[in-house]
Amino acid sequence: NAGVTQTPKFRVLKTGQSMTLLCAQDMNHEYMYWYRQDPGMGLRLIHYSVGEGTTAKGEVPDGYNVSRLKKQNFLLGLESAAPSQTSVYFCATNPNRADGYTFGSGTRLTVV
Amino acid sequence: AQSVTQPDIHITVSEGASLELRCNYSYGATPYLFWYVQSPGQGLQLLLKYFSGDTLVQGIKGFEAEFKRSQSSFNLRKPSVHWSDAAEYFCAVGATTGRRALTFGSGTRLQVQP
Repeated sequence: NAGVTQTPKFRVLKTGQSMTLLCAQDMNHEYMYWYRQDPGMGLRLIHYSVGEGTTAKGEVPDGYNVSRLKKQNFLLGLESAAPSQTSVYFCATNPNRADGYTFGSGTRLTVV
Repeated sequence: AQSVTQPDIHITVSEGASLELRCNYSYGATPYLFWYVQSPGQGLQLLLKYFSGDTLVQGIKGFEAEFKRSQSSFNLRKPSVHWSDAAEYFCAVGATTGRRALTFGSGTRLQVQP
């Protein structure tokens, strides 16, 4: 039982390149989230999904797109990477409000 | 919308000393409250959570937190810190209605001196 799996774990991109981060969960949860973590800023919500086929914007959605074609997968895309998107990205899921999140192990992305 | 403030960016304590990390929240009612710990280069692990009931909650690794409605606070404590507690700690708040996503504080980095 892996919980939440993020791929890749590390990536270096050149400015303007595109990439997709994959989050996969095996807990059958409806809700999934993408956050970015930057020093001194905690975790900020990029996008989230309340179920298969649905997505919604969080606090910092600009420059990112997401898709939830299958319940177990939540994809985060960068169409044209910028240095400001250098960050650690975390995916999370929870079964209900009271239980808190289960996090993936994160993706460290550097845009040069 | 809810918000969270962790006033201390960095705290240093000696091993064996007691610890208190501060967390203040803003929300119109009692929210869901959480503390997470992140070791260097690792993901986030849930330490404890609170929504209702006893205002002193026990978590893993010997941590506890006390909810104080009058102060809108949810401070994390540990009676005796171990070197392995060195990490970054995040307080998070969740709304009781509407969007389910958690809002995180900016974190407090704990350093433990031998």
